[in-house]
This record gives sequence, C-alpha cells and structure tokens, in this order.
Amino acid sequence: GAVVSQHPSWVICKSGTSVKIECRSLDFQATTMFWYRQFPKKSLMLMATSNEGSKATYEQGVEKDKFLINHASLTLSTLTVTSAHPEDSSFYICSAYDRGQYEQYFGPGTRLTVT
Amino acid sequence: QKEVEQDPGPLSVPEGAIVSLNCTYSNSAFQYFMWYRQYSRKGPELLMYTYSSGNKEDGRFTAQVDKSSKYISLFIRDSQPSDSATYLCAMILSGGYQKVTFGTGTKLQVIP
Repeated sequence: GAVVSQHPSWVICKSGTSVKIECRSLDFQATTMFWYRQFPKKSLMLMATSNEGSKATYEQGVEKDKFLINHASLTLSTLTVTSAHPEDSSFYICSAYDRGQYEQYFGPGTRLTVT
Repeated sequence: QKEVEQDPGPLSVPEGAIVSLNCTYSNSAFQYFMWYRQYSRKGPELLMYTYSSGNKEDGRFTAQVDKSSKYISLFIRDSQPSDSATYLCAMILSGGYQKVTFGTGTKLQVIP
C-alpha cells in the first residue's frame, strides 16, 4: 500500500510554544489529507480536512487559530499547534487520500507532550 | 446515540481461537466499511475494506457486513499473539475522500 510519513514521531515542548507536525504522502499525490487526534484508549477524532491549495475545513469545536493547517503541495500538509498547553498533549495522526486507489492511508502518528 | 458503537473490550483469547469483533451503526447512509488494526503508539493500518453486504475473506480475516441490521463484524481465525492490538471499525458515507467515522476500538489480547 501507499506510504504516509509524519515528522516528528514524538515531540516534547514547553507550554506557550508552537509545534509544527508534517504529513507527507511518499509515493502518491494526495489532494485531500485529514488530521485526527487520539486520546489514550479513545478513538480517532477528526480535527480537520485539508485540501491542497485551499483553506482547511475544521470540525465543530476545533479552534482554527490554535490548530493551523497548511496543505501547500500535493504531498505535504502541516499542522501547527500554536501556543501549546498541556491539554494539547495527544497523539496526532494524519491520513492522505489516494484518488487513484480510492483509499485513505494513515501516517504513523506524532505524539505531542506539552510540559 | 453514537453513530458507531463498538465494545472497547479488552478481549482476551487463547492462541488459536476464533475472534469475533463487532460494530453497530445508526446511519443507514454509510456505504463503505473498514477494519483497521492499531498497535500501541502507531497509526491505524487498514485490514479490510468492504462495500456491500456479505462476506469478504483475506487470509485469516473475514469481514462481514449486514446493512439491513446495521451490523458489521471482523472474524480472525487461528489467532496469533501478533494479532494483539486495538481493532477499529470505520465507515464512510461515499467515496474515499469523505471523512471516516471510527468506532472506539476493541483491544484484543491473544495469549500464547
């Protein structure tokens, strides 16, 4: 199957700082990428849908100004957690839609810890 | 009522057992049904993908969809310790580009 990578895999940052997480589709072009958040022992919660070249669509309750999403190319989407707080600590997972295969592929996830 | 209901477990079975994992859903508009496996601290991995009611088999895994009952199942035959993971059912309304609605996941432990 297609490969989606995320970087970094684990990041620890101090409260008040911003953190950028990258999601890349390595062997296909992804016009649509999705960002999820997963709390321990909970399911994945969709945060936003990212379309290449346009603004992201955020789910209800997700702060646009806090979770900045940029989908600048067909292989890269970034999620920036601005002014991070301990409650933002979570596992962030992206997925990329491969139009040619009609499938979504998930990245390995990024664990964010805010101290 | 949640759109997708899944027993969180944990479910413990001896090696070699047949495992049955289930989900129910409330929205009859769901058309595509998936099962993902997620190991601890990893992203989900697609196991099975079905569209219509009926059974789909892939090796030791069988996915079953009953749209009339809004019920889907995943069966694992000859379970192995390496199958120990969290299994998430998921479904989408139409087309892979739509957002995926996940169940909460069932944690499975296969005991050697």
